[in-house]
Amino acid sequence: AQTVTQSQPEMSVQEAETVTLSCTYDTSESDYYLFWYKQPPSRQMILVIRQEAYKQQNATENRFSVNFQKAAKSFSLKISDSQLGDAAMYFCAYRSPTSGTYKYIFGTGTRLKVLA
Amino acid sequence: KAGVTQTPRYLIKTRGQQVTLSCSPISGHRSVSWYQQTPGQGLQFLFEYFSETQRNKGNFPGRFSGRQFSNSRSEMNVSTLELGDSALYLCASSLGAGGYTFGSGTRLTVV
Repeated sequence: AQTVTQSQPEMSVQEAETVTLSCTYDTSESDYYLFWYKQPPSRQMILVIRQEAYKQQNATENRFSVNFQKAAKSFSLKISDSQLGDAAMYFCAYRSPTSGTYKYIFGTGTRLKVLA
Repeated sequence: KAGVTQTPRYLIKTRGQQVTLSCSPISGHRSVSWYQQTPGQGLQFLFEYFSETQRNKGNFPGRFSGRQFSNSRSEMNVSTLELGDSALYLCASSLGAGGYTFGSGTRLTVV
């Protein structure tokens, strides 16, 4: 069975600085999807970035980018020029494309604090 | 375009009662999934529906059930509520591999 691990329960970053959130996963599949979701105090989970395992190029979305290391099964999220609005819980998630379902496996989350 | 709508936002129930939560997905999305979020267990998958059929089910007791209607709207039901069922219940809809779109959740408190 697949697992997703986020080893940093909490991180802090100074406004305008860069922070990296870690995520590792375990799977025997060769093709899959990885996601980072953000959950602010409003509770709604928001998709930050997505990576397909078959793509070697790291995904980027504005200030958000990932470092995808398939062999190491690592999927970290880098937030550049951190803003106060980035403060939230961040969840890493795995999805298998072969199981005929959209079920995701989530990590336990990392709480990001942004200091003014 | 309207997002995923969950109702109600908050709910307080007594042990032993039952509860029904509702989720309206984004128009055109046929897949609806439900997750339970608690501080101790994190996000746990409850079930997924696709075109009115349950496609996958998580490891929850039979007290948790769901269904999906022909318009893709989904409901989940929890019978004989226990204190441990207190949680944020999140619904998500999906069109394909692009990722889920989540609703704002229903906060259920069992007293």
